[in-house]
Amino acid sequence: NAGVMQNPRHLVRRRGQEARLRCSPMKGHSHVYWYRQLPEEGLKFMVYLQKENIIDESGMPKERFSAEFPKEGPSILRIQQVVRGDSAAYFCASSPRAGTLYSNQPQHFGDGTRLSIL
Amino acid sequence: KQEVTQIPAALSVPEGENLVLNCSFTDSAIYNLQWFRQDPGKGLTSLLLIQSSQREQTSGRLNASLDKSSGRSTLYIAASQPGDSATYLCAVHTGNQFYFGTGTSLTVIP
Repeated sequence: NAGVMQNPRHLVRRRGQEARLRCSPMKGHSHVYWYRQLPEEGLKFMVYLQKENIIDESGMPKERFSAEFPKEGPSILRIQQVVRGDSAAYFCASSPRAGTLYSNQPQHFGDGTRLSIL
Repeated sequence: KQEVTQIPAALSVPEGENLVLNCSFTDSAIYNLQWFRQDPGKGLTSLLLIQSSQREQTSGRLNASLDKSSGRSTLYIAASQPGDSATYLCAVHTGNQFYFGTGTSLTVIP
C-alpha cells in the first residue's frame, strides 16, 4: 500500500525538547502539505512544499516551527522548544500536482502524528 | 480570508435514513471542493472532489453538490448505515491552501 506514511504515530515530548515529524508522500507525488488539528477544532493549513522548495508557509508560526522536503527522503516538520500548546494531531497530505491547471487533483492524507507535550 | 462553516456540528439518525450535510464558504474563488471522512484517531479519507466548473459528483450512496456563486456545498448520503458513523469534513482549495470546516459528527444508530 503506497499511501501517505507518517511517523511516528504518537510522539511524547517534554517542554523544551524538539519534535520531528516525518511524512513520506504517495509514490509519484511531489507536493506535500502539513496541517495541524487542535482538539475540537478543524484542520489548519501550516505549510505547502515541493521538493527542495517551500511554496507557502503562511500558516506556520514564525518561531520554533520549520519544514523541509529534501530531494531525497521524507518531508520533515520540526518543532523546537515545544510548549504545551503544541499538543495536537499533525497531518500530512500529498498530491501529484497543484494549482489551477490541475484542479482535479485530490489530496491524500496520512494517519497523522499525535504529539503530546508533558 | 476564506472561512468554511459546516452545519450541523453533530447529527444522529436511525439506520436507513437519507441525510444531508451542509458546507458553506465565504470566497467563491475556489479551484475545487473536497469532502472527507475522518474516523476517530485516523487520518482523512477523500470521498468526493468537485471541481469549480462542476455542479455535482456521485460515488455510490454519496452525492455532493456545489453552488459556487452562493458559496455552498451539500453532501447527500442515501440509506445511511452504522458504518457511515464518522466526522465529515469539507475543504475548499483556494490559491496554495486548503481551508477546512470543523466537520459534522455523524452517528447512525442501528
